Amino acid sequence: AQSVTQLGSHVSVSEGALVLLRCNYSSSVPPYLFWYVQYPNQGLQLLLKYTTGATLVKGINGFEAEFKKSETSFHLTKPSAHMSDAAEYFCAVSVPSGNTPLVFGKGTRLSVIA
Amino acid sequence: EAQVTQNPRYLITVTGKKLTVTCSQNMNHEYMSWYRQDPGLGLRQIYYSMNVEVTDKGDVPEGYKVSRKEKRNFPLILESPSPNQTSLYFCASSSWGQQFFGPGTRLTVL
Repeated sequence: AQSVTQLGSHVSVSEGALVLLRCNYSSSVPPYLFWYVQYPNQGLQLLLKYTTGATLVKGINGFEAEFKKSETSFHLTKPSAHMSDAAEYFCAVSVPSGNTPLVFGKGTRLSVIA
Repeated sequence: EAQVTQNPRYLITVTGKKLTVTCSQNMNHEYMSWYRQDPGLGLRQIYYSMNVEVTDKGDVPEGYKVSRKEKRNFPLILESPSPNQTSLYFCASSSWGQQFFGPGTRLTVL
């Protein structure tokens, strides 16, 4: 079975500061890992994903995440926060297969302070 | 445009009145699923379907039904809604783990 733990249900950063959202996973097989973003009153949008290959993955809106197998982590970062980054962020894990469910973390709400 | 659509987007109903939330995708995906999102609990999977006529329970299936008679559609049925089913519902279809989400249906059961 797989699981995801997101550390911190709410993170606040100042505009221009580093964004770091933490995600740890548990998986019995090499995982696929995802970060999704949910803006207020909207659905979920894929930010980035790791499947195989390069462990540093770049996504949309300047976000990136690094897969660290030894730490079972997939933390999301952005060098400089913008007000428009305020949203809820979900980390998710699945197994490498055509038809498997995603297991989501409980989400981290990011607030950006002017 | 590749998309997942859900209807209705907002629904207020009363306890016990059967309702259906429709979901449709145009990406020819075999895998579709329903989630509910509640504050502090994240997204929890209700049901999923790996192909036509193949459905299975997720983490929180009680009080819900689904059907998958054709690949593109995956309706969620609440036979007798109760207030604890007040939530935000998302339909998703996926290919190789990447899920595409619908815009959500906000359901209130009074």
